[in-house]
Amino acid sequence: DIQMTQSPSTLSASVGDRVTITCRASQSIGSWLAWYQQSPGEAPKFLIYKASTLQNGVPSRFSGSGSGTEFTLTISSLQPDDFATYYCQQYNNYPVTFGQGTKVEIK
Amino acid sequence: QVQLVESGGGQVKPGGSLRLSCAASGFTISDYYMSWIRQAPGKGPEWLSYISNTGKNTYDVESVKGRFTISRDNAKNSLFLQMSSLRVEDTAVYYCAKGGSYFDYWGQGILVTVSS
Repeated sequence: DIQMTQSPSTLSASVGDRVTITCRASQSIGSWLAWYQQSPGEAPKFLIYKASTLQNGVPSRFSGSGSGTEFTLTISSLQPDDFATYYCQQYNNYPVTFGQGTKVEIK
Repeated sequence: QVQLVESGGGQVKPGGSLRLSCAASGFTISDYYMSWIRQAPGKGPEWLSYISNTGKNTYDVESVKGRFTISRDNAKNSLFLQMSSLRVEDTAVYYCAKGGSYFDYWGQGILVTVSS
């Protein structure tokens, strides 16, 4: 199975900050990567697919990049609703696998 | 709008069985692959199974093969997960999700607790 490793595990930031989360795959996955946002007690919300394509309705402050084994999720200007946990997920191979998550908390 | 609502969770003893259901609305389930995903407390999501839009093809993660069975009833816009030989480590919130590779809609989740 492909292992997905996110860093950092926790990130402290303030409203208006630019934040970047990194996701690394244990082998090349091309651009077959998705990102999700999860607030406490809620289901994950789909943000990005194919590494950089925003799902309809996702604010443009979110962006994704990368290919192969290294990917990033960037939030250009952190908003109050963005304090949550973020997960990457590869869908190059089955079983599809998720990272362990990056919690973005208020500084 | 798309809605997925899981039911059938609860507490069960190790070795027991449970059947989860997922009622879909706002889209035609027969047009899409569907999946079950679970999330243990404090952990990332773990994808379990997908089923093709016709139901002819399924794929399960190794940890549930032979114990969990995914199925669907397109006429009733519903998805199911039959779980047997449950283990303590199967304790998690279980989500049904639209899609077989990435998942653009998720249900609210249902808690399954396996404990003696």
